[in-house]
Amino acid sequence: DIQLTQSPSFLSASVGDRVTITCRASQGISSYLAWYHQKPGKAPKLLIYGASTLQSGVPSRFSGSGSGTEFTLTISSLQPEDFATYYCQQLVSYPYTFGQGTKLEIK
Amino acid sequence: QVQLQESGPGLVKPSETLSLTCTVSGDSVSSHSYYWSWIRQPPGKGLEWIGCIYYSGSTNYNPSLKSRVTISVDTSKNQFSLKLSSVTAADTALYYCARESLTMVRGVNYYSMDVWGKGTTVTVSS
Repeated sequence: DIQLTQSPSFLSASVGDRVTITCRASQGISSYLAWYHQKPGKAPKLLIYGASTLQSGVPSRFSGSGSGTEFTLTISSLQPEDFATYYCQQLVSYPYTFGQGTKLEIK
Repeated sequence: QVQLQESGPGLVKPSETLSLTCTVSGDSVSSHSYYWSWIRQPPGKGLEWIGCIYYSGSTNYNPSLKSRVTISVDTSKNQFSLKLSSVTAADTALYYCARESLTMVRGVNYYSMDVWGKGTTVTVSS
């Protein structure tokens, strides 16, 4: 199985901050990576697929980059609704796997 | 608007079989464009992909669960289902169904889970 490791696991930030979350794959996955966020009691929501393509309807303050084994999700200016847990997922081979999550909290 | 809705018993006894159904509205499980997936999330933990099915009935399962999992599709009811046998307390989780879409970007096809159900909690306990 392809292992995904996110860092940091916890992140404390303020509204308006720029934040970056990293996802590292145990082997190369080209650009077959998606990012989701999940708010308490809600299902995950797709933010980015193909490592860098913004899902329709997702604000442009979200961006993704990377290929191979290292990927980043950047939020350019945090908004109150962005405080959630973020997951990366590889979709290059079965079984699909997720990172362990990054919990983004309000400072 | 595409919606997915999970349904099934919220309580299952150890060693029995967990059975869940995902009803799709606003789209067709017979579409050639999608796979249909099950994902679970134990309390306070991360996400685990269980498996997926194509309209043709072709399936892919997580090897960690493969011996106990069956995913099926009922095109007449526009539903797909999950069965997990011989459950234990470790199978207690929030179970989600999701649509896996294929999108071409600059000539490359990428999958992503773009529509999710709200999830249903299953507790394994006697």
